[in-house]
Amino acid sequence: GAGVSQTPSNKVTEKGKYVELRCDPISGHTALYWYRQSLGQGPEFLIYFQGTGAADDSGLPNDRFFAVRPEGSVSTLKIQRTERGDSAVYLCASSLNMGETQYFGPGTRLLVL
Amino acid sequence: DAKTTQPPSMDCAEGRAANLPCNHSTISGNEYVYWYRQIHSQGPQYIIHGLKNNETNEMASLIITEDRKSSTLILPHATLRDTAVYYCIALSNSGYALNFGKGTSLLVTP
Repeated sequence: GAGVSQTPSNKVTEKGKYVELRCDPISGHTALYWYRQSLGQGPEFLIYFQGTGAADDSGLPNDRFFAVRPEGSVSTLKIQRTERGDSAVYLCASSLNMGETQYFGPGTRLLVL
Repeated sequence: DAKTTQPPSMDCAEGRAANLPCNHSTISGNEYVYWYRQIHSQGPQYIIHGLKNNETNEMASLIITEDRKSSTLILPHATLRDTAVYYCIALSNSGYALNFGKGTSLLVTP
């Protein structure tokens, strides 16, 4: 079946601009996760949704980052006033329920110039 | 969740078994050992996980020591396409934030 999909696959933006990154989880998966991966590092946790609510957003680096999942399926990660340090691969994962195996999408490569 | 320790890199000849070790000496009784891999420029791919017993699937085998302080991921016949960074992660059944660390970079050579 279809896996986790993420759009766009690549995004180039200028410092100070606003970006939205989209994640389509596996159908029926109630839990959704966002991670960020900087060059040469492993992915780092950002936020976890159970259904529509953000159960843990402790990994978001600051208040420029925000994520939503209004209908409990698709999620959007929003970054305001982007900075060059936000350049990274943003990964989304989903699992059937919390605590079960997470399956990852291909990621969105964000480059802030 | 418990910290895991892996060697930074390993080599393996194509067709041979690749044995990737992982130390998790502080693992607690309800923490699973998960293995993921990440091929260059792709998202992490789930491989296998286990709690106490050894596990096998179509991709790999997972051997967990009796004291659960370490484990080994075995790719029985490595191919060039198995070249990737392999991550060993401990996660409880009430946890959700995967702590990837730096993993082991496996290079499979012809």
